[in-house]
Amino acid sequence: AQRVTQPEKLLSVFKGAPVELKCNYSYSGSPELFWYVQYSRQRLQLLLRHISRESIKGFTADLNKGETSFHLKKPFAQEEDSAMYYCALKPGSSNTGKLIFGQGTTLQVKP
Amino acid sequence: KAGVTQTPRYLIKTRGQQVTLSCSPISGHRSVSWYQQTPGQGLQFLFEYFSETQRNKGNFPGRFSGRQFSNSRSEMNVSTLELGDSALYLCASSFSTETQYFGPGTRLLVL
Repeated sequence: AQRVTQPEKLLSVFKGAPVELKCNYSYSGSPELFWYVQYSRQRLQLLLRHISRESIKGFTADLNKGETSFHLKKPFAQEEDSAMYYCALKPGSSNTGKLIFGQGTTLQVKP
Repeated sequence: KAGVTQTPRYLIKTRGQQVTLSCSPISGHRSVSWYQQTPGQGLQFLFEYFSETQRNKGNFPGRFSGRQFSNSRSEMNVSTLELGDSALYLCASSFSTETQYFGPGTRLLVL
């Protein structure tokens, strides 16, 4: 079964603290993994994708195929990082734009 | 480029009615995907259209249908509305299978 699991519904940290948003996936092939973010009153937008291996707004994520994880990390959280974060999987072998989303984690960065 | 637009933004219907939602993709994008977002189930894939053909379909009943026009605009229709259909309906567009760009959503309330 194709599934994305984000075990934490809410993650609350203080400004300047490290952040790690967990994402585990279940997929037998080679998926593409993404992190999407939704700031308050804004539309869902792409934060980063594993194949580009880039850092956006200080966030990074490494695909660990052995542990089937794609955790999102940032060394020092900022208040503007407060948002809803979704991990998503696109079946790698499919000619499709379909995304399978996790339930999402609300990140709350306290001053 | 203008972003993905969805109309209407808000809609109130009663049980048993039907509803049609519209999505205009980013210019040049040929793929349009639809998602249902609810607090309990999160973001769930409904279907994807590419060049006027349904390319992929999620696990929703036949009451949910869609179509895509030659200008890539897409509509989704829900017939015989049920209370559980109350949700935020998001559409996303991409050129083919790449990054999905999301619209602001249509919030449907079924009374």
